[in-house]
Amino acid sequence: GAGVSQSPSNKVTEKGKDVELRCDPISGHTALYWYRQSLGQGLEFLIYFQGNSAPDKSGLPSDRFSAERTGGSVSTLTIQRTQQEDSAVYLCASSPDRNYGYTFGSGTRLTVV
Amino acid sequence: GQQLNQSPQSMFIQEGEDVSMNCTSSSIFNTWLWYKQDPGEGPVLLIALYKAGELTSNGRLTAQFGITRKDSFLNISASIPSDVGIYFCAGPNNAGNMLTFGGGTRLMVKP
Repeated sequence: GAGVSQSPSNKVTEKGKDVELRCDPISGHTALYWYRQSLGQGLEFLIYFQGNSAPDKSGLPSDRFSAERTGGSVSTLTIQRTQQEDSAVYLCASSPDRNYGYTFGSGTRLTVV
Repeated sequence: GQQLNQSPQSMFIQEGEDVSMNCTSSSIFNTWLWYKQDPGEGPVLLIALYKAGELTSNGRLTAQFGITRKDSFLNISASIPSDVGIYFCAGPNNAGNMLTFGGGTRLMVKP
């Protein structure tokens, strides 16, 4: 596609359940990033992929969070045993290697009830 | 870690007015970027600055890379209703492998 696609756009889940968020980057973009944006706040870095490997996972807030990328393309962010504080918009971005002009998706709004 | 501080946090202005917002850091950045986020969307790149002292325009937007490399500002001239949104400054981390974002300036424009 022409842009970064994220699904679902909205997700409401019960506390304690696991969720998977998907990101489809722009074709050919080697770098992929996950950020989290809490209500009215800035963007908090979670994890960065270069190809299928994740050189920087420093932003993942706990071991309940994990992410993978396959085929140098689609990435999945998984949150296990969701908590209410996980409620936020999860944004994915991609870019050509070492290019800071990220293209963001529209995000997945996660609400944990 | 590196932090970017944006001010003001929010602005409510009249259509047609000029707007100025800035971003400061205690660390030196070699690249400054400004993004805009419309409601319900991801941020979109507006301007990228690569050299200290650089002044770059994009339509009604003008951004400058501070001489000290620790600050940047963004000006919007003759604001219009579609300028509403959140404006973020960003800069690469020390490893150069991802962007650190400021907390954003929320702009509201009254027609």
